[in-house]
Amino acid sequence: DADVTQTPRNRITKTGKRIMLECSQTKGHDRMYWYRQDPGLGLRLIYYSFDVKDINKGEISDGYSVSRQAQAKFSLSLESAIPNQTALYFCATSDPARANQPQHFGDGTRLSIL
Amino acid sequence: GESVGLHLPTLSVQEGDNSIINCAYSNSASDYFIWYKQESGKGPQFIIDIRSNMDKRQGQRVTVLLNKTVKHLSLQIAATQPGDSAVYFCAESVLRGATNKLIFGTGTLLAVQP
Repeated sequence: DADVTQTPRNRITKTGKRIMLECSQTKGHDRMYWYRQDPGLGLRLIYYSFDVKDINKGEISDGYSVSRQAQAKFSLSLESAIPNQTALYFCATSDPARANQPQHFGDGTRLSIL
Repeated sequence: GESVGLHLPTLSVQEGDNSIINCAYSNSASDYFIWYKQESGKGPQFIIDIRSNMDKRQGQRVTVLLNKTVKHLSLQIAATQPGDSAVYFCAESVLRGATNKLIFGTGTLLAVQP
């Protein structure tokens, strides 16, 4: 979905490094989310934000932090990367205008921690 | 069907046949369901959704069936094409506190044989 853009698409880094993954959207949605995807597991929610001043922890927030710089931008940081954070990371957005809306995903960042 | 574990269940079909992908969801209070398609190297793409006050919804070449009695969701793809090859997974919307959260299944790999 070109409306949700994630950078970088791939990143290899070393244990202990600080990493930032960026997400920007042109959909005009207030709600943004960060997920990780691991083989054999469903998408798991890391953090979510319902507007610029709102940040909420998801089910697996330990070791991660986020920043909602603007309505269109939501970044995910790994302060000190560890190998078990190797995964595929997805950003998503949704429109709160109506109840029960699908989330729209970017194409992901493949992150490898050595 | 859906399952946890490292290996995705696989459905192999011949081009032109109909495909049926199944999903068992977990929460009887879930009131909204989504099917996503994920191609290799891409993010999840919304296919179709259904609310709990319906038991069937049709889109272009796709139909979603909801059986709340047994907590079962299925995605039917008519006249399956090679471009339908992907991982398909369902998501249920669960009310957690004041917010609906999506819970994702692990997915089924659809392999279309020419």
